[in-house]
Amino acid sequence: RKEVEQDPGPFNVPEGATVAFNCTYSNSASQSFFWYRQDCRKEPKLLMSVYSSGNEDGRFTAQLNRASQYISLLIRDSKLSDSATYLCVVNPVNWGKLQFGAGTQVVVTP
Amino acid sequence: DTGVSQNPRHKITKRGQNVTFRCDPISEHNRLYWYRQTLGQGPEFLTYFQNEAQLEKSRLLSDRFSAERPKGSFSTLEIQRTEQGDSAMYLCASSVRGSSYEQYFGPGTRLTVT
Repeated sequence: RKEVEQDPGPFNVPEGATVAFNCTYSNSASQSFFWYRQDCRKEPKLLMSVYSSGNEDGRFTAQLNRASQYISLLIRDSKLSDSATYLCVVNPVNWGKLQFGAGTQVVVTP
Repeated sequence: DTGVSQNPRHKITKRGQNVTFRCDPISEHNRLYWYRQTLGQGPEFLTYFQNEAQLEKSRLLSDRFSAERPKGSFSTLEIQRTEQGDSAMYLCASSVRGSSYEQYFGPGTRLTVT
């Protein structure tokens, strides 16, 4: 079993619609959680950290469910520029060795 | 530009040659990480420095791989006797202690071994 698992997609989303997807992680002792965005052949860029209480950044909302060991990302009012691969990232230890999922591809269509 | 920088951006080498990559982290970041990413996968952790000390190495880092951060600033990753399986994107990231380990990535070095 992979340490961080994601649905690879693609999620095809009409512009202006809402899309949501999850990832699951295996290490219940994981310390911190993130969503990164990666465009084709580019480096991952930090989208947002995920807090236990859930957090929102503009059109993006992240949720953490420690009991079920999953993290979710919701994108509202999707823009064409939101087309990318979204990487679910878990920090299982206390010094920053990040574990990445393989990514969920989102394609926003006009 | 005050982000993480990496050089070269692309490297094509023949099997058996040695290659070296450089990473310059964000200036106030004391933690530096190397990852490797292959097509369709997320980045995989290779090694980690806090200042000049290399504190963790992945089992992925065979004895052909060596990394240094001699003065706690820039870092180098060397691969000796390259193999075709080493072809990947090599990513460097840096972070500040106490920032919940939010890591910021450089543009990567894409290695192709022919």
